[in-house]
Amino acid sequence: AQSVSQHNHHVILSEAASLELGCNYSYGGTVNLFWYVQYPGQHLQLLLKYFSGDPLVKGIKGFEAEFIKSKFSFNLRKPSVQWSDTAEYFCAVNPLSYNQGGKLIFGQGTELSVKP
Amino acid sequence: GAVVSQHPSRVICKSGTSVKIECRSLDFQATTMFWYRQFPKKSLMLMATSNEGSKATYEQGVEKDKFLINHASLTLSTLTVTSAHPEDSSFYICSAKDRGSNYGYTFGSGTRLTVV
Repeated sequence: AQSVSQHNHHVILSEAASLELGCNYSYGGTVNLFWYVQYPGQHLQLLLKYFSGDPLVKGIKGFEAEFIKSKFSFNLRKPSVQWSDTAEYFCAVNPLSYNQGGKLIFGQGTELSVKP
Repeated sequence: GAVVSQHPSRVICKSGTSVKIECRSLDFQATTMFWYRQFPKKSLMLMATSNEGSKATYEQGVEKDKFLINHASLTLSTLTVTSAHPEDSSFYICSAKDRGSNYGYTFGSGTRLTVV
C-alpha cells in the first residue's frame, strides 16, 4: 500500500547533538514533500518543503532536508539541536497524481526529546 | 500569512449527541479543505477532503454518515460528528489549501473532542 514511513518513533538527544530523522514514501511519480513540527500543545507548523529544483532544502530554525529520489527518501537534519527543538516531527507527502485531490499524507511522526 | 481558524478548541459532549466543528480560512479562499484525526502519540489520519460546492471525498474506512462534512463557501468547512460515542473522542484538525497556491497548506489549531 502507498504510505509514508518515519522509522524513528522516539529520538532522545542531548543538546548540541546532530539530528537526522528518516522519512520514506512509497508513492510513484511526482510528489511534493513536507516536514512539519508540532510543539507540545500547539498546532502543526511547516518546517520546510520540497517541490522541485535543488534537492537540499533549507527550512526554519536551522533545519534542512534532502530529497533523494532514487531512495524515495526525504530525511530531516539539523547539525546541533537545542532543548527548544523538543517536539513531534511529521513528514508528509502530497502525491501529484490526478486522483489524489491535493491530499497530504502524513508519516507516523517522530517524537524528539532534547535533554538540556 | 494564511490563517485557518478552527472552533471550538475543546468540546465535551454526551454520548448520542452531535457536535459541529468549524474550520474557517481567514484571509484566503480555500477551494479544498482537509479533515484529519489525530490519536495520542499517533500521526494525523486523513478522514476526508472537503470541496467547496460539492460532496466531500472520504477516505476508506471513514463513515460518511457519521462524519458529515459541509463546505458551503470558500472560507468555511464544517465537520459534524453525529451520534457521538466515546470512541469518537480524539483530536480533530482541519487544513486548507490556499486557492492561489497549489502547494500551500495551512492547519487549524485543532479541536479536542471528548465524548462522555
